[in-house]
Amino acid sequence: DQQVKQNSPSLSVQEGRISILNCDYTNSMFDYFLWYKKYPAEGPTFLISISSIKDKNEDGRFTVFLNKSAKHLSLHIVPSQPGDSAVYFCAASVGGNTPLVFGKGTRLSVIA
Amino acid sequence: SAVISQKPSRDICQRGTSLTIQCQVDSQVTMMFWYRQQPGQSLTLIATANQGSEATYESGFVIDKFPISRPNLTFSTLTVSNMSPEDSSIYLCSVFSTTINYGYTFGSGTRLTVV
Repeated sequence: DQQVKQNSPSLSVQEGRISILNCDYTNSMFDYFLWYKKYPAEGPTFLISISSIKDKNEDGRFTVFLNKSAKHLSLHIVPSQPGDSAVYFCAASVGGNTPLVFGKGTRLSVIA
Repeated sequence: SAVISQKPSRDICQRGTSLTIQCQVDSQVTMMFWYRQQPGQSLTLIATANQGSEATYESGFVIDKFPISRPNLTFSTLTVSNMSPEDSSIYLCSVFSTTINYGYTFGSGTRLTVV
């Protein structure tokens, strides 16, 4: 039973436009959410996180929105760049020092 | 922030053999986590390794197949035993540390191919 779901396996966006990656979760005990970017031969690279006490966190071109009532979060990338092409994983935890639970990932392709 | 050195980065192994993966952290951490990413799949937790105690394994993973050592607060190993082609995956270690502003960091991964 998947506790973290990324229902879009792939997304294609034109350079300069907005990329929106979505994530849903089922465990109401999750209180910390993270987005990671991953290239094939590397470990996940942290992008941005959000605590359950917030509904938005912004870092440069990356913004994460959290809707706790809907158990939904999204990652917005504006403007999208070709270097953003990678697999993006949504992850959640129930607190510090507990393991992350990952979604299946969304492969983003940014077309020049 | 904590930096993890993971070795080997990749290996090709014969079925029936074993491979030990090492993770060295540059600071002391309580918990280390081991994940597996099968081709095209998500990162799945194998086990949580606490220093000085037996690792805690997730459903579907057993100690005989994936023995873990955690001899101190900066080091851990995961062994993939009696390998079969189904074990071909990327294996990753991860730590949680309060010195990392987002809490979690990952090793660079070990890409294992079993032939």
